[in-house]
Amino acid sequence: KAGVTQTPRYLIKTRGQQVTLSCSPISGHRSVSWYQQTPGQGLQFLFEYFSETQRNKGNFPGRFSGRQFSNSRSEMNVSTLELGDSALYLCASSVEQGMNTEAFFGQGTRLTVV
Amino acid sequence: GESVGLHLPTLSVQEGDNSIINCAYSNSASDYFIWYKQESGKGPQFIIDIRSNMDKRQGQRVTVLLNKTVKHLSLQIAATQPGDSAVYFCAEKETSYDKVIFGPGTSLSVIP
Repeated sequence: KAGVTQTPRYLIKTRGQQVTLSCSPISGHRSVSWYQQTPGQGLQFLFEYFSETQRNKGNFPGRFSGRQFSNSRSEMNVSTLELGDSALYLCASSVEQGMNTEAFFGQGTRLTVV
Repeated sequence: GESVGLHLPTLSVQEGDNSIINCAYSNSASDYFIWYKQESGKGPQFIIDIRSNMDKRQGQRVTVLLNKTVKHLSLQIAATQPGDSAVYFCAEKETSYDKVIFGPGTSLSVIP
């Protein structure tokens, strides 16, 4: 069974640009969550999608957005990039929302903003 | 964003010894707790979980202890091996909100 796949693995963008990251969950998983990981702030929750609907959102500005498609694949978008957006962006999938089940993480997309 | 703490605690143990990694969680309403292991260049990997109706759960070489009174979680690794070297994160979740909050992580270094 394939794991969570995130593309691209690495990305370099300049300030002011926008970026789209992609996440393909494990087959059969319907819940996808996104996290930002930085050395200074650790792992922070961005948002969670289930059945194409955003169910939860963390405390990030509106420049951070996402969506989920009918096949459960998810994308997140960051507009007007800032240097502080440089981070590892992790996607996690789980079987169902609202259940105490583990989330499986992808390897992440390393975004560098210059 | 939400997070707990800015400093990454470190723990160094001798190969073969037992390791204990501690975590203080923040939300008294959290009812599900998970430990993750993250190796360099990889995403977090599930180790073990525990629900709030339990105070101890054992896996292979790992044990998680939950003390809800003081909102404390610990991960015990028996006979620590070099392959256990990684950053370990505790995470808490309030089921009704489906949002997972991660602790700052602890870096475990195993000395051969």
